[in-house]
Amino acid sequence: AQSVAQPEDQVNVAEGNPLTVKCTYSVSGNPYLFWYVQYPNRGLQFLLKYITGDNLVKGSYGFEAEFNKSQTSFHLKKPSALVSDSALYFCAVRDGQQAGTALIFGKGTTLSVSS
Amino acid sequence: ETGVTQSPTHLIKTRGQQVTLRCSSQSGHNTVSWYQQALGQGPQFIFQYYREEENGRGNFPPRFSGLQFPNYSSELNVNALELDDSALYLCASSLGASGSVTDTQYFGPGTRLTVL
Repeated sequence: AQSVAQPEDQVNVAEGNPLTVKCTYSVSGNPYLFWYVQYPNRGLQFLLKYITGDNLVKGSYGFEAEFNKSQTSFHLKKPSALVSDSALYFCAVRDGQQAGTALIFGKGTTLSVSS
Repeated sequence: ETGVTQSPTHLIKTRGQQVTLRCSSQSGHNTVSWYQQALGQGPQFIFQYYREEENGRGNFPPRFSGLQFPNYSSELNVNALELDDSALYLCASSLGASGSVTDTQYFGPGTRLTVL
């Protein structure tokens, strides 16, 4: 069965420091991986996705993510955090061998950036 | 380009009632998916519609049903509401053929349903 794990409920980082939000996945086929961000009382905003090719994916608002097949991970990163990056971040996966196009989400990680 | 919109924003119902939530997909998108996000959890897939037909369903009972219209807008209907149905209901639209695993889903702001 497909699954996503976000091992940290909360990540705290000071403004200007690099940030990492961790994600690991489990699928039977090829993984298709996504990151979304959710601000309070809002829907999910798409940040980036990995389909195939380069393991380093660049996305919106300066975020990037690194796909690591051997570690089954897809960590979200940003070189310099902003206070406005504080939000709830979700990693999601689709299994290339499963029918349907449902996204399977992790439980989310709250990112808190302090000034 | 118009994004995904949902109505209403908030809704309060009592146990046993029925509710209809509405979603307008992003311009040009022909696929709509619905998710339930309980408090403190990630979204869970309810079902997906492609060109007016259901083409995928998650682990939700039959009292959760839906429709997609010719303009690709969609409704989520929930009958016999239970307290555990209280959640944020998210609609997402995407462009692509049925079963396209690489498509990005774009989400609306959600409808907050409270069941008393």
